[in-house]
Formats: sequence, C-alpha cells, structure tokens
Amino acid sequence: GDSVTQMEGPVTLSEEAFLTINCTYTATGYPSLFWYVQYPGEGLQLLLKATKADDKGSNKGFEATYRKETTSFHLEKGSVQVSDSAVYFCALIGAGGTSYGKLTFGQGTILTVHP
Amino acid sequence: NAGVTQTPKFQVLKTGQSMTLQCAQDMNHEYMSWYRQDPGMGLRLIHYSVGAGITDQGEVPNGYNVSRSTTEDFPLRLLSAAPSQTSVYFCATLRASGETQYFGPGTRLLVL
Repeated sequence: GDSVTQMEGPVTLSEEAFLTINCTYTATGYPSLFWYVQYPGEGLQLLLKATKADDKGSNKGFEATYRKETTSFHLEKGSVQVSDSAVYFCALIGAGGTSYGKLTFGQGTILTVHP
Repeated sequence: NAGVTQTPKFQVLKTGQSMTLQCAQDMNHEYMSWYRQDPGMGLRLIHYSVGAGITDQGEVPNGYNVSRSTTEDFPLRLLSAAPSQTSVYFCATLRASGETQYFGPGTRLLVL
C-alpha cells in the first residue's frame, strides 16, 4: 500500500537558518503530494501541494518539488522564523479512483525555531 | 463561516464507556472523514463518507462506528472505549473533485 516516510525529528534551528525536512513516498502511479502544518493546539492546515511530477508547490516562503525519479517531496525554507515552530506532515493521496480523498500521512516532524 | 467544528475539545472516559465525537461543517463539502493522531505515527484514517447515506472504512476502523444522515454532520461513535483509543481525533472535509482537505481543531480523548 501507499506510505510516506519523513525524516526523524525533532528539528531545532535558530532564526534565519535554512530548513530542510525530507519526505519520501511509496505509491503506484502519480499520487498528489501535500505538506500540512499543525501549529500548537490547532488542527492541520494545508501548507502546499503538487499534483504532478516536477511541479513545485510554494507558500509562505516554503517550497517543495515533486521528484518522481527519487519519489521525494522535501520541504525547504531559506530563512525560518520563530513563528514557523510547528509540526509538519508530508502526505499523499493515491492515484487510483478508490484512493480519492484518503490522505496517507508521514509521522510528522516537530520544528522548533529559537530567536 | 465556521468551517469545520468539533465537539468536545477534550474528553476523559473510563474503559467500557461509550461516547460520540461530533463533527459539523458549513461548507457543503461532500466528503468527510475521521483521522486519529498518535505520537510518531502521523494521522491514520478511521472512516470516511463520500456523501449523505454513504460511509466506508479507512485504515483503522475497529472500535468505531459512523453514520452520515446529513451533508453537514459526521459523528464518530465509540461503543466501548478502550485505552488504545486514547488519541487526538480530527475530522476533515473535502469538496467533490477538490484536493484540499479542511481539518477541524480536534478532540483530545483520554481513556482510563
């Protein structure tokens, strides 16, 4: 079945540091890929998405590129802020019709940014 | 618009008790689902519904029941709570043919 693997956390950075959170996936065909963010005490919010190979999703300074050849969707940000402290989830929806709406999540990566 | 609302925010149960977690949405989205979030495991799909009167099982359905009598509401029932059901539960909605799921704020459940 489909699966998503994220880098182990937690990740602790200083403000303005460069961020990379690795995400790789296993799925048949061409799944849609997502990054969700969960701020403390809140539900999940969509951060960015990509629906086909080589697409780049971007939002709030975060970027991720859909790499079919390496089955990866790594999240990057050039300069993190304290307000970026949250839990980040990589997720996919499989390509088949029966997979519609069914998100498969990675385990989540806790990011803490210090001033 | 309130979006996706969940009640209660926090609940403590004793083993064997029953309860219903409520989820309501005002976006007229056809698709609704329930996930549970456990440390180190991300979110896992419990049950989902593609429309009123239609429900199906997700990855971890055992111990949970659902029904969908209206577009707006999708309650999750625990018939006999077990400590293994201690978790944070999220409801999510999706517009038909859309891709972005909208999550509620979650219900934190502790089963003693």
